[in-house]
Amino acid sequence: DQQVKQNSPSLSVQEGRISILNCDYTNSMFDYFLWYKKYPAEGPTFLISISSIKDKNEDGRFTVFLNKSAKHLSLHIVPSQPGDSAVYFCAASINAGGTSYGKLTFGQGTILTVHP
Amino acid sequence: ETGVTQTPRHLVMGMTNKKSLKCEQHLGHNAMYWYKQSAKKPLELMFVYSLEERVENNSVPSRFSPECPNSSHLFLHLHTLQPEDSALYLCASSQRTSYLDEQYFGPGTRLTVT
Repeated sequence: DQQVKQNSPSLSVQEGRISILNCDYTNSMFDYFLWYKKYPAEGPTFLISISSIKDKNEDGRFTVFLNKSAKHLSLHIVPSQPGDSAVYFCAASINAGGTSYGKLTFGQGTILTVHP
Repeated sequence: ETGVTQTPRHLVMGMTNKKSLKCEQHLGHNAMYWYKQSAKKPLELMFVYSLEERVENNSVPSRFSPECPNSSHLFLHLHTLQPEDSALYLCASSQRTSYLDEQYFGPGTRLTVT
């Protein structure tokens, strides 16, 4: 049973436009969500996170939106750049009670290609 | 440079071999993790060590044996593996606080079992 799903295996966007990557989850206990970016031959790199007490978090060109009622989060990249081409993973964890066990559940990833 | 290094980067081993994967973190973190990424599957958490104590073992077969001698080093000892164990093995570390922590990953070891 896959608790975190990224239903789009790939996304292709023109440079300068917005990239929207989506992620759905099924476990309502998840209260902390992260996005990671992965280039070939490298490990995933932390990008941005959001806790369930918020519905939006912004960091430069990257914004993550969380819709708890729909159990859905999305990552917006604007403007998209060719260097953003990578695999993007969303991940979720349960931190209720103030104790982080560090157990991340990952989606299967979306390959983003930004064309010049 | 993420501050987490893994060696070797590539490993080919037979099913009767014994080998070890090494991970080292230079970030001063107090938790370390092993993940497995198989083709077309999400990253799967294998083991979690916090303050050098194993706190999570996600039903991983005993042919995988982790070791965490100190907060900077993590090993994954491999023996009598199966071809389906071929995957990318990723190490990560984090500074576990009372609430949130982000994990920082190494580049991974690409393992092929023949």
